Amino acid sequence: AQSVTQLDSHVSVSEGTPVLLRCNYSSSYSPSLFWYVQHPNKGLQLLLKYTSAATLVKGINGFEAEFKKSETSFHLTKPSAHMSDAAEYFCVVSSGGSYIPTFGRGTSLIVHP
Amino acid sequence: NAGVTQTPKFQVLKTGQSMTLQCAQDMNHNSMYWYRQDPGMGLRLIYYSASEGTTDKGEVPNGYNVSRLNKREFSLRLESAAPSQTSVYFCAVEPGTGDDEQFFGPGTRLTVL
Repeated sequence: AQSVTQLDSHVSVSEGTPVLLRCNYSSSYSPSLFWYVQHPNKGLQLLLKYTSAATLVKGINGFEAEFKKSETSFHLTKPSAHMSDAAEYFCVVSSGGSYIPTFGRGTSLIVHP
Repeated sequence: NAGVTQTPKFQVLKTGQSMTLQCAQDMNHNSMYWYRQDPGMGLRLIYYSASEGTTDKGEVPNGYNVSRLNKREFSLRLESAAPSQTSVYFCAVEPGTGDDEQFFGPGTRLTVL
């Protein structure tokens, strides 16, 4: 069994300040973890993925995430927010070759000028 | 390369009408998925096809049928549409391991009156 919880439904930051989007997961197997971004009226795009290699994963557009097994967390961070980062972000867990990934409910990132 | 394409982009149906959503890929990936996205619910898996010739139910299959026509194409059919099926539908493809990165189409916005 697997599940994912995104701890904040909305996060509001000012442009140029750090971003933190929180994700906790559970999985019976060694998980694969993903962060996707969805801009308004668009499909989802992969930001980064963890698949049991380095625990600190770097993605596109300056985002990164750290896999912490002891805390069952995979939080997404960015040092400095840009207006173009305003979007919906989804944390996803998949494991055991199940073909059934589990999506979090999403976190809406709002960036103020 | 178009990646993953979906048709139509928008559709309005009356209760009881039927329709088929089409998905095609040029990425030569083995696995294909259909999701629905509702506000605050993340993405929920309707059906998936791990490889050509196979289909399996996901989390919310009731009211839907699918056909994996060939390696490139995966269609979703609503036999008798209901207002509860008003949603945005996304097709996605994945290389075939069952827990790798997915590539998403642009979505179909369906309204059932």
